[in-house]
Amino acid sequence: KNQVEQSPQSLIILEGKNCTLQCNYTVSPFSNLRWYKQDTGRGPVSLTIMTFSENTKSNGRYTATLDADTKQSSLHITASQLSDSASYICVVNRRAAGNKLTFGGGTRVLVKP
Amino acid sequence: EAQVTQNPRYLITVTGKKLTVTCSQNMNHEYMSWYRQDPGLGLRQIYYSMNVEVTDKGDVPEGYKVSRKEKRNFPLILESPSPNQTSLYFCASNLVGGANTGELFFGEGSRLTVL
Repeated sequence: KNQVEQSPQSLIILEGKNCTLQCNYTVSPFSNLRWYKQDTGRGPVSLTIMTFSENTKSNGRYTATLDADTKQSSLHITASQLSDSASYICVVNRRAAGNKLTFGGGTRVLVKP
Repeated sequence: EAQVTQNPRYLITVTGKKLTVTCSQNMNHEYMSWYRQDPGLGLRQIYYSMNVEVTDKGDVPEGYKVSRKEKRNFPLILESPSPNQTSLYFCASNLVGGANTGELFFGEGSRLTVL
């Protein structure tokens, strides 16, 4: 069964600290993996895309990694800011006709001053 | 500005009163889809459309209808809303194929309450 599991479900960190979010998937065949950031009450926005051949990619203070062998991805937030408070959603695209997207349940991050 | 526009953003209605949530995108995307988001359940796909006149069920289609008569519009129809359809709804669009395959552009959401 194609599934995407994210951990932790939620976390609280102090402003300026780093944190890492995990995404494990069983989706096959794999096409790509995206991390989205969703601010409260807003639509998700894509942060980064990881394809099969990519191990790491950065977008400002966000760094995503992918291990296609173990089917794991992580999103690392460096020097967190209050504006990083949001839900982060991992979405895996299955290589098939059209878009076969499988969503993780998300990790809710709260950055405290 | 590239965007996905949903209306209404907020709606309170009563059980059984038909309603339509509109969705429009200006990016000429072939693929459009609807999701509902409930606490603890994440985003779940309701319906999707690969192109004009091509629609298919997602994971939770019961109680919903869609149509795709034009490329830019993809309305979500609740023929007879029930309280369990109280939720936050998102419309999204994206290109099919190429390096950006799968990047969803979401609308701002429509919060629906069915009494």
